[in-house]
Amino acid sequence: DQQVKQNSPSLSVQEGRISILNCDYTNSMFDYFLWYKKYPAEGPTFLISISSIKDKNEDGRFTVFLNKSAKHLSLHIVPSQPGDSAVYFCAASGATNKLIFGTGTLLAVQP
Amino acid sequence: NAGVTQTPKFQVLKTGQSMTLQCAQDMNHEYMSWYRQDPGMGLRLIHYSVGAGITDQGEVPNGYNVSRSTTEDFPLRLLSAAPSQTSVYFCASSLTGDNYGYTFGSGTRLTVV
Repeated sequence: DQQVKQNSPSLSVQEGRISILNCDYTNSMFDYFLWYKKYPAEGPTFLISISSIKDKNEDGRFTVFLNKSAKHLSLHIVPSQPGDSAVYFCAASGATNKLIFGTGTLLAVQP
Repeated sequence: NAGVTQTPKFQVLKTGQSMTLQCAQDMNHEYMSWYRQDPGMGLRLIHYSVGAGITDQGEVPNGYNVSRSTTEDFPLRLLSAAPSQTSVYFCASSLTGDNYGYTFGSGTRLTVV
C-alpha cells in the first residue's frame, strides 16, 4: 500500500526550462510534505517543505505547490540547471512523525 | 560537526549471518530513522525513534531490530540475514521530526549471498 506515489520514474528537461515533478498521496492525515534530492552514492538531502495549512512555498529556484483536495503536490524548478540532475523524492508525515517517501523521480537536465 | 555517521559503508553477509549497522549523530537530534532503498521502491521506513528508549515500527520492520539507549546512537540489527535484505540502508535524524527535515547519513550498501 503505497501512501506516497511518484508516477513518473524519470523526467528530462532542457537547461533553463522549468522542471515539474509530481507527487500524489493517499493518507488524508498527512500534514507536512517535503522534497529531498539524492545524488548517486550519497544520502538524500532536504530541499524544501510545505505545511498543509499552506498551498505554496518558495525558496529561490524551487517552489512547492500543495493541492489538498486533490492530495497532490508538485515541485517546480525554474530555471533548471545541469547540477539539478538527481533523483527527487517527495515525502509526507502526520501525527505519528513517521516520514513516508515516494519512489522517486530521476531528473535529467540536458545542457 | 560530523552529522550522521553510518558504518560500515559496504558489507557482504552470508545467508543466516547476523550483523549490526551502526548509526551515530552528534547534533542532539531526538528523532532517528532507518530506511532501505531498493530499485523502483524508493525509500522505505524500517524503524524509527522519537527519543532515547522509544522506538516504533515503520513500513518494513520484519527481520530487523532496533534499540535506542542513547540520544546519539541508533543501531539496526539483522538477526538472520536473507538475500531479500540486500539493499542500501540509510540512517537519518531530525531535531523535532518533520518540520526541519531529516539529515541523512551516506548509507551502507549490504549484500546478502
